[in-house]
Amino acid sequence: KQEVTQIPAALSVPEGENLVLNCSFTDSAIYNLQWFRQDPGKGLTSLLLIQSSQREQTSGRLNASLDKSSGRSTLYIAASQPGDSATYLCAVRPRNFNKFYFGSGTKLNVKP
Amino acid sequence: EAGVAQSPRYKIIEKRQSVAFWCNPISGHATLYWYQQILGQGPKLLIQFQNNGVVDDSQLPKDRFSAERLKGVDSTLKIQPAKLEDSAVYLCASLIAGGPNEQFFGPGTRLTVL
Repeated sequence: KQEVTQIPAALSVPEGENLVLNCSFTDSAIYNLQWFRQDPGKGLTSLLLIQSSQREQTSGRLNASLDKSSGRSTLYIAASQPGDSATYLCAVRPRNFNKFYFGSGTKLNVKP
Repeated sequence: EAGVAQSPRYKIIEKRQSVAFWCNPISGHATLYWYQQILGQGPKLLIQFQNNGVVDDSQLPKDRFSAERLKGVDSTLKIQPAKLEDSAVYLCASLIAGGPNEQFFGPGTRLTVL
């Protein structure tokens, strides 16, 4: 069974700082990995989707990388802003199953 | 394109009462998921539908939870009777079969059981 871990559970940074969020998974036989943002009391908003054949995806100030062999993905946020404050979750889809395993998330606070 | 719709957004009930949640996925999305998200945790899959058939309900507490997806479109998740530990956000997600397998989530229903 796939286990997904996100460390740290919480992170507080000053505005403008570049930061990296981590996601690790135990089984490298994945189909894709998806990063989400969740604001308090809201659903999940998809940020980036990386297929197993890809190494990274970029959208604006966000860059997600994938290293299947080491079971790791990182989400890089450049020039952080207070509006980036939210919980960030990663989800892994195994190669042979159309279901997703989530980490517990990293709660990010960007201080003005 | 319209997103995944869920209702109600909030529900407060007493323990042992019943409750039902509704989800309308994105048009054309054959796969539908119901997740339970307890505060501070990631979403946990309860049940997965492909069209109107159940693909995976291994983590659904079947003694109290039930779900259906009639006609392969809308879905309803029911809890009867509710327990205190059922307090959580219930999320519905859908994705299109054969595509990039990107999940799209609804806003969720926050359930409080008193």
